[in-house]
Amino acid sequence: ETGVTQTPRHLVMGMTNKKSLKCEQHLGHNAMYWYKQSAKKPLELMFVYSLEERVENNSVPSRFSPECPNSSHLFLHLHTLQPEDSALYLCASSHPLYPVGTIYFGEGSWLTVV
Amino acid sequence: QKEVEQNSGPLSVPEGAIASLNCTYSDRGSQSFFWYRQYSGKSPELIMFIYSNGDKEDGRFTAQLNKASQYVSLLIRDSQPSDSATYLCAVNSRARAQAGTALIFGKGTTLSVSS
Repeated sequence: ETGVTQTPRHLVMGMTNKKSLKCEQHLGHNAMYWYKQSAKKPLELMFVYSLEERVENNSVPSRFSPECPNSSHLFLHLHTLQPEDSALYLCASSHPLYPVGTIYFGEGSWLTVV
Repeated sequence: QKEVEQNSGPLSVPEGAIASLNCTYSDRGSQSFFWYRQYSGKSPELIMFIYSNGDKEDGRFTAQLNKASQYVSLLIRDSQPSDSATYLCAVNSRARAQAGTALIFGKGTTLSVSS
């Protein structure tokens, strides 16, 4: 068990659908992240929440909408996605103080847009 | 210049050999350095982190940091086929960490250990 749980693990959705990815962390961390990992590309940071406040948004299209209702939960709402959005979406969490910057990943949600 | 650079490989070594994985970074303010391992189809898992110049050993793994050269490496001794994976280098700074911002990752180096 990683301490960071993501659901669903696999999702297939049409371009007109609306779905959400959910992440829950059990580590007592106060920062949470969404990363995207496409084939043959490095991990791309999408969003960062610290103490439930969004502190970073790396030019992500508006069809991706994050939500962080509390420090343990993070959502990524998806709507009108494109086939190129098919990827592994990784949630992660961290404690900012020690070890500095260490993040722990969930097992990821494989998204296929058809 | 990319923030974190790694040779994508693949790096191929025979079983029992030492695998050497290298990473350079551009931000001189970087203070913490991480190595993650990612098996195909899985999420990255933390192997080691290092803050100070020099070597840090953990079992078969040794992380080496040279801040003057902005260089960090990972040595894997007695490489095993189960070490075959992609190894990701990541860096952060205290300022970024306290602001709640995240690690910057390299593209990763694929290691293949043959039996």
